[in-house]
Amino acid sequence: ETGVTQSPTHLIKTRGQQVTLRCSSQSGHNTVSWYQQALGQGPQFIFQYYREEENGRGNFPPRFSGLQFPNYSSELNVNALELDDSALYLCASSLAGTRETQYFGPGTRLLVL
Amino acid sequence: TQLLEQSPQFLSIQEGENLTVYCNSSSVFSSLQWYRQEPGEGPVLLVTVVTGGEVKKLKRLTFQFGDARKDSSLHITAAQPGDTGLYLCAGVTYTGNQFYFGTGTSLTVIP
Repeated sequence: ETGVTQSPTHLIKTRGQQVTLRCSSQSGHNTVSWYQQALGQGPQFIFQYYREEENGRGNFPPRFSGLQFPNYSSELNVNALELDDSALYLCASSLAGTRETQYFGPGTRLLVL
Repeated sequence: TQLLEQSPQFLSIQEGENLTVYCNSSSVFSSLQWYRQEPGEGPVLLVTVVTGGEVKKLKRLTFQFGDARKDSSLHITAAQPGDTGLYLCAGVTYTGNQFYFGTGTSLTVIP
């Protein structure tokens, strides 16, 4: 059984650019959630995908968008990057929806200059 | 929106001391989880509590879920340097479909 993996591990972008982050869920898990974690703070929920459909969204603007593929892997896309988007982006997978235990990947550290 | 407030925010103690971290909210949660996160890594689940008043023990760690399901505590006995990390509580409300994370408690155990 493979764990949750994310790519890339680190990324540097400039303001206004676009970025795509990727997540492979744990084997057998059909739900992926994305979180943004600023340094020294708790993760903030961005959105969740269940069976390729968005299944809930936190307080993030539309320039944060996502996709889930038939193999349950997922992408997080952020357009028009802002300096405040610098953070650790975490993906977590679970078996079936929010109320199941989530397993987190190691995260992608994004720096926007 | 930070539904869960943790205290203290920072804690630095000597090896062998005891400590308690609190996680409080005005909302009711169907379940609550505690995670530990080390620098550069994702959070790792320590425990899930689902019943009001429930107490769970994991070696030197004791977790309690409040009777009203609005708060929780984590008590560490005889802290060790390996306990150093960011401790996060997270909960799911009955009406929502997302995990709400707490503000985090950064623990440093000095040898």
